Amino acid sequence: QQPVQSPQAVILREGEDAVINCSSSKALYSVHWYRQKHGEAPVFLMILLKGGEQKGHEKISASFNEKKQQSSLYLTASQLSYSGTYFCGTEMENNDMRFGAGTRLTVKP
Amino acid sequence: DTGVSQNPRHKITKRGQNVTFRCDPISEHNRLYWYRQTLGQGPEFLTYFQNEAQLEKSRLLSDRFSAERPKGSFSTLEIQRTEQGDSAMYLCASSLGGGGLNYGYTFGSGTRLTVV
Repeated sequence: QQPVQSPQAVILREGEDAVINCSSSKALYSVHWYRQKHGEAPVFLMILLKGGEQKGHEKISASFNEKKQQSSLYLTASQLSYSGTYFCGTEMENNDMRFGAGTRLTVKP
Repeated sequence: DTGVSQNPRHKITKRGQNVTFRCDPISEHNRLYWYRQTLGQGPEFLTYFQNEAQLEKSRLLSDRFSAERPKGSFSTLEIQRTEQGDSAMYLCASSLGGGGLNYGYTFGSGTRLTVV
């Protein structure tokens, strides 16, 4: 039931773009994206509900393809502060959510 | 709103002892979740409450684990007869939900359990 994230890790230079993918084998009600910095709790970024939509938050946006049960997180013009581990959480109709193993993003100057 | 509060922050216990963790969610949030996270892994679902009702419990949760949320407010997670494999960060999260509403989770800072 755990979603699969790819890539496992990515290293960027400041200003470069990245895409993180998340896929599930189960029908999804929603997809959440969180960022966790070392030693800290995960922080909510955005939620996408079934129906297929795309959301944006400054230079971070995401899409959700309900038919394919896939979501992607897009980070454009990355900043040093974007470094951390990104988790997708897939929520089913019963409202329990499973998280992927995470994608470790490192942004270098 | 002081966020989600978890206590204690750290707990070291001897194998075989019982431990109890507390989570105080954001007051207006009706949903509360417990997750366990080990180094390099994503949070692993343990259990979920809507108000005081425990609606889902992971099959990974052995009968040594129990959680309560009396009166739909704070929650406690108890682990009996701890084992070294229980060593992990235990995260609590809360959210608003139900009636077609669905919001993101707010996580607490976690309780780090070390079983020696």
